[in-house]
Amino acid sequence: DAKTTQPPSMDCAEGRAANLPCNHSTISGNEYVYWYRQIHSQGPQYIIHGLKNNETNEMASLIITEDRKSSTLILPHATLRDTAVYYCIVRVLNDYKLSFGAGTTVTVRA
Amino acid sequence: ETGVTQSPTHLIKTRGQQVTLRCSSQSGHNTVSWYQQALGQGPQFIFQYYREEENGRGNFPPRFSGLQFPNYSSELNVNALELDDSALYLCASSLAGVLTDTQCFGPGTRLTVL
Repeated sequence: DAKTTQPPSMDCAEGRAANLPCNHSTISGNEYVYWYRQIHSQGPQYIIHGLKNNETNEMASLIITEDRKSSTLILPHATLRDTAVYYCIVRVLNDYKLSFGAGTTVTVRA
Repeated sequence: ETGVTQSPTHLIKTRGQQVTLRCSSQSGHNTVSWYQQALGQGPQFIFQYYREEENGRGNFPPRFSGLQFPNYSSELNVNALELDDSALYLCASSLAGVLTDTQCFGPGTRLTVL
């Protein structure tokens, strides 16, 4: 019952910015956008989340459109270690579960 | 700060058997969630435990059950194993009541059912 749509895969050159899109056209007013990533054979790792304002932390930036129907995760300078599956999730704050979709497989190439 | 740990790392069982997986939550966290991840798919929520009680459950049959202990660690039990139960089982801990709650995941237990 994932409420987001992401491209299945994308490539990125090492050192360049990676822009990962996510569509969440049915998002409700009290739902946040969360991003996690999962490096091969590891558990998912939290990246960032936001409600309606753009957010930035040491890992990435999150840009949410004004109508909140889509967002973009930006990895400013991709490295080979950023190769992973990236999941975009909409979630009511403190909801007890995360609903993962299929995610986007990002491959960073040297 | 100690992260989420899970044991065992890998496990092989046969159909019909029972299995217990274990999870130690990150220090300072009081809530544990369990997820099942089949090969090539995203994790699927099984259930969450808070204050030693089930706090929410996904679409999984009753043969999937759990426990949470006073030290916030948790167990996932699966009875009458089926071939489709083969998956990576992930445990995640979080702190209930915190405004910016995020779940911290362990490395998972790879279960193979033959």
